[in-house]
Amino acid sequence: GAVVSQHPSWVICKSGTSVKIECRSLDFQATTMFWYRQFPKQSLMLMATSNEGSKATYEQGVEKDKFLINHASLTLSTLTVTSAHPEDSSFYICSARRLSSYEQYFGPGTRLTVT
Amino acid sequence: GQQVMQIPQYQHVQEGEDFTTYCNSSTTLSNIQWYKQRPGGHPVFLIQLVKSGEVKKQKRLTFQFGEAKKNSSLHITATQTTDVGTYFCAGRRNSGNTPLVFGKGTRLSVIA
Repeated sequence: GAVVSQHPSWVICKSGTSVKIECRSLDFQATTMFWYRQFPKQSLMLMATSNEGSKATYEQGVEKDKFLINHASLTLSTLTVTSAHPEDSSFYICSARRLSSYEQYFGPGTRLTVT
Repeated sequence: GQQVMQIPQYQHVQEGEDFTTYCNSSTTLSNIQWYKQRPGGHPVFLIQLVKSGEVKKQKRLTFQFGEAKKNSSLHITATQTTDVGTYFCAGRRNSGNTPLVFGKGTRLSVIA
């Protein structure tokens, strides 16, 4: 159990377009989901914490108008990168945590390339 | 803000040698977790430590949480090629829903 999926697994888009990434918990209800960004050979940088039914909490330095997060249900959170630029190219990973559990289950990640 | 520092950044060992990675937090942690990320993969949860001075073992892996709950270590005995990957520690300052703060990770290479 505790499987998290992400879609798409990779995406290439042109500068100025918007990209939506979905994160789903497949076999459990995730009260909290987290969005991370990871540059090659570097650590995970937390972008935001997403709680179902409420506004996401963004980390310092992360533009909430650029990285729109919606946690509409207990099994789905979405991250939309708006007006993407080449510097937004990165590996975006979500993780999900269920109520009364301390483990975070990570999705397989989405590799975004902005040309 | 809370910082979690991890050393070394890289470690190359001969198969059969031991390996240790260390994690230090600037603040006292409620708990600390360890994750392993294989090349090209995503982080996979290994263990959580909660109690001061706690030591937990998983086969060849030994995890330790410091008495002050500000540092932790992961020790692998007799490394194997399957141990290759990046090991991250991640700390949580408060219990509850506060997010994990990840260290930069230690990338382990094992030479057969």
